[in-house]
Amino acid sequence: AAGVIQSPRHLIKEKRETATLKCYPIPRHDTVYWYQQGPGQDPQFLISFYEKMQSDKGSIPDRFSAQQFSDYHSELNMSSLELGDSALYFCASSSRQGQETQYFGPGTRLLVL
Amino acid sequence: QKEVEQNSGPLSVPEGAIASLNCTYSDRVSQSFFWYRQYSGKSPELIMSIYSNGDKEDGRFTAQLNKASQYVSLLIRDSQPSDSATYLCAVDRGWENQGGKLIFGQGTELSVKP
Repeated sequence: AAGVIQSPRHLIKEKRETATLKCYPIPRHDTVYWYQQGPGQDPQFLISFYEKMQSDKGSIPDRFSAQQFSDYHSELNMSSLELGDSALYFCASSSRQGQETQYFGPGTRLLVL
Repeated sequence: QKEVEQNSGPLSVPEGAIASLNCTYSDRVSQSFFWYRQYSGKSPELIMSIYSNGDKEDGRFTAQLNKASQYVSLLIRDSQPSDSATYLCAVDRGWENQGGKLIFGQGTELSVKP
């Protein structure tokens, strides 16, 4: 079965640079969620989109922005990167027809030097 | 106090034994509960979902939900070394029967010894 696709899988950036993470949800899933997981931490919700509209917002820094496109893929844009942004970034997708169970992508490991 | 609480472990059980993982949550309006398994450096993998009070069984896994006590548990029977991972309890903070963000516990590290 098709899964959530994330790219890139690994990313190394310098402080103050920008990064763009991409997420392609499972086909026919209409909702995308972004989570950040720091070392030894549990995943923290950042933001979600349903039908291309922001549906919820969590502890996402103002330096970050995200959107969902007409093909339902989503991009997380991160600017003025800080050392503390180094983490695993997961995208998850769900369908309102499928009891909203969230399926996670493989993640993007971001390292800020 | 975290909204979702788990014992961080590590929980060590011998191969073939039953592993019991526990989770409590603070928001009484929560309706959907999930157990995810996460291997180091990998993404969370859904093990079980449960929405109603009682038990739900799927193979070697049984999830138990008690909304009155705000308690969710996961039992793993016939534990295998491949079950060694961190188990994350998650609560869906959606509204009006629509799913929303997941709030995770800190995870319980399970180690199954051969």
